[in-house]
Amino acid sequence: DTAVSQTPKYLVTQMGNDKSIKCEQNLGHDTMYWYKQDSKKFLKIMFSYNNKELIINETVPNRFSPKSPDKAHLNLHINSLELGDSAVYFCASSQVTSSYNSPLHFGNGTRLTVT
Amino acid sequence: QQQVKQSPQSLIVQKGGISIINCAYENTAFDYFPWYQQFPGKGPALLIAIRPDVSEKKEGRFTISFNKSAKQFSLHIMDSQPGDSATYFCAATVTGTASKLTFGTGTRLQVTL
Repeated sequence: DTAVSQTPKYLVTQMGNDKSIKCEQNLGHDTMYWYKQDSKKFLKIMFSYNNKELIINETVPNRFSPKSPDKAHLNLHINSLELGDSAVYFCASSQVTSSYNSPLHFGNGTRLTVT
Repeated sequence: QQQVKQSPQSLIVQKGGISIINCAYENTAFDYFPWYQQFPGKGPALLIAIRPDVSEKKEGRFTISFNKSAKQFSLHIMDSQPGDSATYFCAATVTGTASKLTFGTGTRLQVTL
């Protein structure tokens, strides 16, 4: 069973469109995250939710809106997509916030290509 | 501001050799230092982690060396194997309610036969 699953795996869309990425974890974790990995493979946190409550919101354009309907799901909606949004987006989860006894578990990513 | 600096960017090691990846950090409040391994098309996966109260952590062929005074830590892969070929990321965080991992820029390791 996949622990952290994201859909879709690939997403190709045109500038200006709105798209969503879904994430689900079956680990019973309380905290979920969205990370962005750019073309140089740099990983940067975007958002973090703990029990459906937003606890980290990095400097991300407000075109990006996370939604957590329950603690096992964290979706990412992106409005008015831009070329610079092309990246791999990773969902992750941890028991509590990341620590020695609560490592992050990542999904396999969604490769978003904006043309 | 890059809070965790990682080097080298890429590394080629022969099978059986030792791979060494270095990281340096600035924030002295960091108290958790994990290393993640990422294969192409996959998400990063925790490889090994250390807390700053120990100077070394070993798990199989993988060892973290930690130098608190120098604010540096490194990953050593002994007897490197072709299956170790991947991108490795160091990371650091201050644990707490709003803790977030700050990642290094990654090292692409290639182990040749």
